[in-house]
Amino acid sequence: QKEVEQDPGPLSVPEGAIVSLNCTYSNSAFQYFMWYRQYSRKGPELLMYTYSSGNKEDGRFTAQVDKSSKYISLFIRDSQPSDSATYLCAMSTGNQFYFGTGTSLTVIP
Amino acid sequence: DADVTQTPRNRITKTGKRIMLECSQTKGHDRMYWYRQDPGLGLRLIYYSFDVKDINKGEISDGYSVSRQAQAKFSLSLESAIPNQTALYFCATSDSGTSGVNEQYFGPGTRLTVT
Repeated sequence: QKEVEQDPGPLSVPEGAIVSLNCTYSNSAFQYFMWYRQYSRKGPELLMYTYSSGNKEDGRFTAQVDKSSKYISLFIRDSQPSDSATYLCAMSTGNQFYFGTGTSLTVIP
Repeated sequence: DADVTQTPRNRITKTGKRIMLECSQTKGHDRMYWYRQDPGLGLRLIYYSFDVKDINKGEISDGYSVSRQAQAKFSLSLESAIPNQTALYFCATSDSGTSGVNEQYFGPGTRLTVT
């Protein structure tokens, strides 16, 4: 079983839609939960991170962590064409990082 | 200039050849990482280094070696390249002094093809 499972998509939505991206994990030792965004031909860049269960909001983005279910989500409100990218979830025990396979998102104008 | 640079950006090599990928950073971070990215498999950790004298194997270190020449430089070597090492390789850095998530900063990647 992989440490982190993520639906690869691809996901295609119209501009303005709410997008929900999800990951599950198996390791209870994970303490940090992150979402990275990766544009084509670029390295991943950190979008959001959380340390504990609950929600964290940053502009149009909300990260949600449910440690009891080992499930994390990223919500994008009012999606824009510039949000078209691959989104990777990542989790860490503090030293090593484990990444999901990434979900490819296309926002259609 | 980019904070994390990787050279070369693209490389085609033949089976059995030795190849080195280089990473340099100007962020002043002490921790450096090498990952490979494959379609359907995501990012997987090859090696990581928490300081110049510290080298650790990651999830998929077989067939690879690394050298931390200085705090700012971390190179990845394939002693005898094989076709299944064809992938996109990323270097990343982080700062152990940062509280919390220990954010990683990624380079632009090296696309390696082994024929």
